[in-house]
Amino acid sequence: DAGVIQSPRHEVTEMGQEVTLRCKPISGHDYLFWYRQTMMRGLELLIYFNNNVPIDDSGMPEDRFSAKMPNASFSTLKIQPSEPRDSAVYFCASTRGNQPQHFGDGTRLSIL
Amino acid sequence: ILNVEQSPQSLHVQEGDSTNFTCSFPSSNFYALHWYRWETAKSPEALFVMTLNGDEKKKGRISATLNTKEGYSYLYIKGSQPEDSATYLCAPRRGGADGLTFGKGTHLIIQP
Repeated sequence: DAGVIQSPRHEVTEMGQEVTLRCKPISGHDYLFWYRQTMMRGLELLIYFNNNVPIDDSGMPEDRFSAKMPNASFSTLKIQPSEPRDSAVYFCASTRGNQPQHFGDGTRLSIL
Repeated sequence: ILNVEQSPQSLHVQEGDSTNFTCSFPSSNFYALHWYRWETAKSPEALFVMTLNGDEKKKGRISATLNTKEGYSYLYIKGSQPEDSATYLCAPRRGGADGLTFGKGTHLIIQP
């Protein structure tokens, strides 16, 4: 089992640019979660999908953030336009039912 | 948004000593409580998923108890070792919602 795979591991870009983070969940998992980790707020849930359908996006900070899951093996989190305050580590996690969530290694995003 | 509190925020423990810390959460509409261990520069790793009041789970030297009526869980580490140094996160899940709300964590440092 390859685990949850996120790319890129690190992203440095200038303010105003579009950023796309990618996630491949564990095969057979029906839930996918996007989290953001900051010093101030800790680990916060942004959005999650069940069977590729977005269920709760109430954690998405604003309209500049969007997420898609076109199929069971791929999801993206997009920020457009990016701002310095979006700098954080973004984690993707997947699970089946009420099993523990399996986290990817995260994407460390720096917006200059 | 659930109010999840973990205490203490940080803890220094001598190698070989036992320790414990607390997770408090709203008891209403409880569904499950997750515990995760998060080492620096890695991703969160699941320890336990607890659902029943009075539940006790154990994994090696680490164990956890759950009180859903009063809304708290304790995590115990027996005979702490340097490799136990990590941040321990708890995350309750409410009925009807699949997402987790993470506490800020207890940062545990084991001193040789």
